[in-house]
Amino acid sequence: AQSVTQLGSHVSVSEGALVLLRCNYSSSVPPYLFWYVQYPNQGLQLLLKYTSAATLVKGINGFEAEFKKSETSFHLTKPSAHMSDAAEYFCAVSEGFGNEKLTFGTGTRLTIIP
Amino acid sequence: DTGVSQNPRHKITKRGQNVTFRCDPISEHNRLYWYRQTLGQGPEFLTYFQNEAQLEKSRLLSDRFSAERPKGSFSTLEIQRTEQGDSAMYLCASSPSRVALKKNEQYFGPGTRLTVT
Repeated sequence: AQSVTQLGSHVSVSEGALVLLRCNYSSSVPPYLFWYVQYPNQGLQLLLKYTSAATLVKGINGFEAEFKKSETSFHLTKPSAHMSDAAEYFCAVSEGFGNEKLTFGTGTRLTIIP
Repeated sequence: DTGVSQNPRHKITKRGQNVTFRCDPISEHNRLYWYRQTLGQGPEFLTYFQNEAQLEKSRLLSDRFSAERPKGSFSTLEIQRTEQGDSAMYLCASSPSRVALKKNEQYFGPGTRLTVT
């Protein structure tokens, strides 16, 4: 069975500061990992994905994430926060190989302080 | 791509009534997924289709829930005898299986928010 743990349900950072959102996963097979962003009353938008290629993955809007197998982590970072980054962020895992249902974490709400 | 669309966007119903939601996936996406998201939680998988075949159903999908994708295009999710605990956002997603670079990427619709009073 797969699971995802997102540490910190709320994170606040100042505009221009580093954004770090934490995600740890559990999977019995090599995982596929994803970060999604959700704005209020909207669906989820894919930020980036890891599918066993490069361990450092770059996504949209300046976000990137690094897969660390030894730490079972896939933390999301952005060097400089913008006000428009305020949203809910979800980490998700799937087994891939045809079993592609996503198991999501509980989410982290990111607030940007002007 | 016009994106995944869902209708209605909002539904308010009384306990015990039946409701049906529709999802139109991105054209030529042959995989379609339903998830449920309650307040303060991440989405939870309900079921998924490859073309018209329903390949997996979650334990969350009680016998009051049924999903169809009759022609391998749009899908419907019906909830019979709604309960207050069914109040949630119901999300639909689709993914391609043939385009290698985009495999495993699920594209989500805006969701249908159900309120059961």
